[in-house]
Amino acid sequence: AQKVTQAQTEISVVEKEDVTLDCVYETRDTTYYLFWYKQPPSGELVFLIRRNSFDEQNEISGRYSWNFQKSTSSFNFTITASQVVDSAVYFCALRGSSNTGKLIFGQGTTLQVKP
Amino acid sequence: GAVVSQHPSRVICKSGTSVKIECRSLDFQATTMFWYRQFPKKSLMLMATSNEGSKATYEQGVEKDKFLINHASLTLSTLTVTSAHPEDSSFYICSARDPMTVYEQYFGPGTRLTVT
Repeated sequence: AQKVTQAQTEISVVEKEDVTLDCVYETRDTTYYLFWYKQPPSGELVFLIRRNSFDEQNEISGRYSWNFQKSTSSFNFTITASQVVDSAVYFCALRGSSNTGKLIFGQGTTLQVKP
Repeated sequence: GAVVSQHPSRVICKSGTSVKIECRSLDFQATTMFWYRQFPKKSLMLMATSNEGSKATYEQGVEKDKFLINHASLTLSTLTVTSAHPEDSSFYICSARDPMTVYEQYFGPGTRLTVT
């Protein structure tokens, strides 16, 4: 069975603080893909990153960075110097190697950045 | 990235009526589309996989007679909530899979359904 766990339901930080959102996944597939999405209050999902299971390099994009560790089945997301506009719900998701293309979403983490 | 639209963005209907939600891929052909449902402050729950020209595949616990899915063309899938009840009120999101970029699902902006 495939599963994604985001243990942090809600996080509140003050602007300019760094914050890390945790994501732990379970899968028996050797090939799989991990995703992060942002869902602002408008509801539309915004794609942030995709990582495949063979690429464990960490990635940085501006204030965003991702730490993928297969040994601990984790794909954590860090926002550096958080801003009020970062306030949203963030979802981690997993897609296995089957050709159905189904995404399994975590429960989501609500991030509130206070000014 | 590719664009997926949903219509309507918001709909209010009376209990017992049916409502149709459209999902369109605007600049690519999608052989596969997905329908998700999201309750307030909850995660996205996959309802069904919609395949062009064939029957949809429903997830366990989703009533296929309640949530009718039609994927009649490569750019359009529809979800019809039949005989809607207040408990069907939710945020419905579709996504479309671009076969040219097999990894990506492109999400629509969602439809907020309220059944009174």
